[in-house]
Amino acid sequence: EVQVVESGGGLVQPGGSLRLSCAASGFTFSSYAMSWVRQAPGKGLEWVSGISGGGSSTYYADSVKGRFTIVRDNSRDTLYLQMNSLSAEDTAVYYCAKNSWIAVAPIYVPSDYWGQGTLVTVSS
Amino acid sequence: IQLTQSPSFLSASVGDRVAITCRASQGISSYLAWYQQKPGKAPKVLIYDASTLQTGVPSRFSGSGSGTEFTLTISSLQPEDFATYYCQQLSSYPITFGGGTKVEI
Repeated sequence: EVQVVESGGGLVQPGGSLRLSCAASGFTFSSYAMSWVRQAPGKGLEWVSGISGGGSSTYYADSVKGRFTIVRDNSRDTLYLQMNSLSAEDTAVYYCAKNSWIAVAPIYVPSDYWGQGTLVTVSS
Repeated sequence: IQLTQSPSFLSASVGDRVAITCRASQGISSYLAWYQQKPGKAPKVLIYDASTLQTGVPSRFSGSGSGTEFTLTISSLQPEDFATYYCQQLSSYPITFGGGTKVEI
């Protein structure tokens, strides 16, 4: 059974940092591009970042470029999102999502499995 | 690429045929997906490549369009279909979502 499970969310002060993790199982993790998508309370979905299966190619939304870093450890079947210089606008539920089929990158391919999300709250 | 969904809110009854439109600020070929999201849950993909039904999704859902204008149609609304629907363009980075359409009774 395919599963992706996020962790690492919590309360952080403005300007602080946090690292999210996404543990994957039930599929060949290294073959699939992955993405992070967030949803602010009561708001819509926002794609944050994506990474190729091998990890060599990364992609970011303009709103997080230079502050967030996506990486993956294929030996541990785990995806990460390092978030720095956090502000109140980054408060959201963060979802990890798997590409529906094997492709070089997240582009062109929808996400078929999503985690339950982890809540990040940026507040003093 | 900006995606504009309309309407933002839709009130309908069980059995109704409903249509949601998604307009892209520039051409995206057919690289568009539709998702359904229920409160407190992760999104679920319904349609990809503008018109291909995801495995396991009921046939009352259908998608059409290409270029800049797309439509998600639910042929006969069921109680479990009351949710928020989002379109997503997968043509270029950054990947973007529409603002969402909430379908309520």
